[in-house]
Amino acid sequence: GDSVTQMEGPVTLSEEAFLTINCTYTATGYPSLFWYVQYPGEGLQLLLKATKADDKGSNKGFEATYRKETTSFHLEKGSVQVSDSAVYFCALVTGANSKLTFGKGITLSVRP
Amino acid sequence: DAGVTQSPTHLIKTRGQQVTLRCSPKSGHDTVSWYQQALGQGPQFIFQYYEEEERQRGNFPDRFSGHQFPNYSSELNVNALLLGDSALYLCASSRGTGDNSPLHFGNGTRLTVT
Repeated sequence: GDSVTQMEGPVTLSEEAFLTINCTYTATGYPSLFWYVQYPGEGLQLLLKATKADDKGSNKGFEATYRKETTSFHLEKGSVQVSDSAVYFCALVTGANSKLTFGKGITLSVRP
Repeated sequence: DAGVTQSPTHLIKTRGQQVTLRCSPKSGHDTVSWYQQALGQGPQFIFQYYEEEERQRGNFPDRFSGHQFPNYSSELNVNALLLGDSALYLCASSRGTGDNSPLHFGNGTRLTVT
């Protein structure tokens, strides 16, 4: 079945540091890939997505590139802010449905 | 434009009881999905409703059931509650059921089973 593996956390960074959060996947067919963010006490918000190989999703300074050859979708940001502190989930969808398969999530804390 | 709204926000129940959670989708959306998020884990898909029918189901027992109303709102029912049912229950809505229909999530209902 489909699965998403995220790097172990939590991650603590200083403001303006570079961020990389690793995500790899296993899927039947050709999935669409997503990063969701969950701020404390809130539901999930779509951060970015990519629907086919070599696509780059981007939003709010975050980027992720769909790498079919390595089955990866790593999230990056050049300079993190305190307001980026949240839990980040990598997810995928396959087939003609909108059922998301999520990774376990990783908590990012950014200190001033 | 209201997004996805869920009620209640928090709930405490005792083992063996039954619970009903409610969800109103974002305006213009006709599909509702439910997810269970245990502490420290990613959300797990429970089921999806479209046109008042259950269209897909994840790996959850029959104790978990749902309903969708003509106005597209939805309920999640859990019978014979177990301690392990304690989790954040998220509702997500979309327009249609295709994989390019972005999901909008509510803030969830925190269920605690004692």
